[in-house]
Amino acid sequence: EAQVTQNPRYLITVTGKKLTVTCSQNMNHEYMSWYRQDPGLGLRQIYYSMNVEVTDKGDVPEGYKVSRKEKRNFPLILESPSPNQTSLYFCASSFLGYQETQYFGPGTRLLVL
Amino acid sequence: GESVGLHLPTLSVQEGDNSIINCAYSNSASDYFIWYKQESGKGPQFIIDIRSNMDKRQGQRVTVLLNKTVKHLSLQIAATQPGDSAVYFCAESYSSASKIIFGSGTRLSIRP
Repeated sequence: EAQVTQNPRYLITVTGKKLTVTCSQNMNHEYMSWYRQDPGLGLRQIYYSMNVEVTDKGDVPEGYKVSRKEKRNFPLILESPSPNQTSLYFCASSFLGYQETQYFGPGTRLLVL
Repeated sequence: GESVGLHLPTLSVQEGDNSIINCAYSNSASDYFIWYKQESGKGPQFIIDIRSNMDKRQGQRVTVLLNKTVKHLSLQIAATQPGDSAVYFCAESYSSASKIIFGSGTRLSIRP
């Protein structure tokens, strides 16, 4: 089954404790992206990647890191989480040039205390 | 700054009626518009898209209308069903960019 998977789905952590949210897709997509979703603000792009070893900032990259060492994986790293990073996070992927039809993962709900 | 927004945050529709969800955009350079559906507990799902050189596109039970003169986009859902209950997002993109800008969403609820 074609899908985007994220882990964990739910996470409660404390300020400053480094965490990683994994994202994996099995569709051989070149393009992968991370979004955060906050009430009233829709989805905002954090980082995206157009292929292995190619990443770029989205609209709200501050406080986040990503890496793209393999085509299928695109982890999101919070080196020192803060409460304002409490949010719902989505990973998405698509073939390059078809970002409009990107597949979204199920989401990771993060609470930073 | 540039933004994509929605006229109404919530919409309640009688089952079987048609639903119309509206969206305003402000970036005249956008040339691609998309509607997504997000059901509770799930990620957004692509519904339908339209390019700026079109003013109407139809899918299965859905129609998207684009009015570039007033920078307005709408999604029409025919014969609304309980399974249509979700948050609907409009989004815009431009061909030279690698990202999509999402609106804040409209929640569609269906009355039995």
